[in-house]
Amino acid sequence: DTGVSQDPRHKITKRGQNVTFRCDPISEHNRLYWYRQTLGQGPEFLTYFQNEAQLEKSRLLSDRFSAERPKGSFSTLEIQRTEQGDSAMYLCASSSTGKNTEAFFGQGTRLTVV
Amino acid sequence: AQSVTQLDSQVPVFEEAPVELRCNYSSSVSVYLFWYVQYPNQGLQLLLKYLSGSTLVKGINGFEAEFNKSQTSFHLRKPSVHISDTAEYFCVLSGTYKYIFGTGTRLKVLA
Repeated sequence: DTGVSQDPRHKITKRGQNVTFRCDPISEHNRLYWYRQTLGQGPEFLTYFQNEAQLEKSRLLSDRFSAERPKGSFSTLEIQRTEQGDSAMYLCASSSTGKNTEAFFGQGTRLTVV
Repeated sequence: AQSVTQLDSQVPVFEEAPVELRCNYSSSVSVYLFWYVQYPNQGLQLLLKYLSGSTLVKGINGFEAEFNKSQTSFHLRKPSVHISDTAEYFCVLSGTYKYIFGTGTRLKVLA
């Protein structure tokens, strides 16, 4: 068990470009979450997968954002036509089934839109 | 609706002094609560968790928290802080499809 891994760790992109981030959860975890964290703020929920099904999406998630989790393993988060306001740390977390379990977080992908 | 409120955005404290970071929650269903710590430029690490049973929960690095149902609180405490405890601390509530974070408390330990 190597924990939750995210790739890349840092991404600098020009406004208007598309970016994609990858998350590899802990292998036996069937739940996967994406969060966004801006400087000085707490993480904000973006979306949740149970296995391959996307069961919850935040209203914060505009149409430019899309996430997938094919085959219930790794997940990708894509941002199309990036804007400067998208600059943030994108965190992935995984957990096993049940509300009484903790989430394990990755180190995050820091996105800077210039 | 479920929510978490951290009452202090910043807490400065001298080294070896005690500290309490306050957290209140709102939930109409079973409550599962966590404290996470985020050191500068690092990811989120679990400090401790309350799932059921004893209301006093002990975690890593000498931290503990007390679950108080009547006051809907889950305050984090440490009897003697170290410089290395300087970090951001998040109180988290387990919701139906997500973990709900408070806004965080920045603990600054002064020499």
